[in-house]
Amino acid sequence: ILNVEQSPQSLHVQEGDSTNFTCSFPSSNFYALHWYRWETAKSPEALFVMTLNGDEKKKGRISATLNTKEGYSYLYIKGSQPEDSATYLCAFYGSSNTGKLIFGQGTTLQVKP
Amino acid sequence: SAVISQKPSRDICQRGTSLTIQCQVDSQVTMMFWYRQQPGQSLTLIATANQGSEATYESGFVIDKFPISRPNLTFSTLTVSNMSPEDSSIYLCSVKEGNAYSNQPQHFGDGTRLSIL
Repeated sequence: ILNVEQSPQSLHVQEGDSTNFTCSFPSSNFYALHWYRWETAKSPEALFVMTLNGDEKKKGRISATLNTKEGYSYLYIKGSQPEDSATYLCAFYGSSNTGKLIFGQGTTLQVKP
Repeated sequence: SAVISQKPSRDICQRGTSLTIQCQVDSQVTMMFWYRQQPGQSLTLIATANQGSEATYESGFVIDKFPISRPNLTFSTLTVSNMSPEDSSIYLCSVKEGNAYSNQPQHFGDGTRLSIL
């Protein structure tokens, strides 16, 4: 059974704080790692698709790193804003998964103004 | 990227009834999926909806409980049959452009928030 774990489960920060969360995934049969942001009452929105060990991707104040050998990815948010409040999901895509994503439980971020 | 319209957005249903959720995509896509998120749980894949043939179900999900139709490359339905309170979840359809191994993200509908009394 493939296991994708995210920590922490939830996080409360003040506006302006920088924060980061972790996604752990199987290090074997790796193909890609996806990050999504899911705001309440909206659809999950893709942030990054990461494929190479050592990959770093950035979108505005949000960035992510990937370590496929040890099986983890970090998502960083610099200078958190209230609009960053959402659940952040990572999903593992294995080379034998035939198109299927295995999701972690998510990290729910609340940014207080 | 594909735009997905999913409906209904929410419903409250009685135990023992069935509900059909519709997913319409604005372009033809090969890969379409149905997910469920139970309270406090991760997004879990129910099945891959295959155009013109039976859906491919994941372990723990069966066709009698979650029949799926995929008559063409832009539309699919998921039925939740004989509902019980344990079926209270968010149900999401998603699509992926390209084939199984293209490095494309999945695009999701807004979800159907289902509560069973």
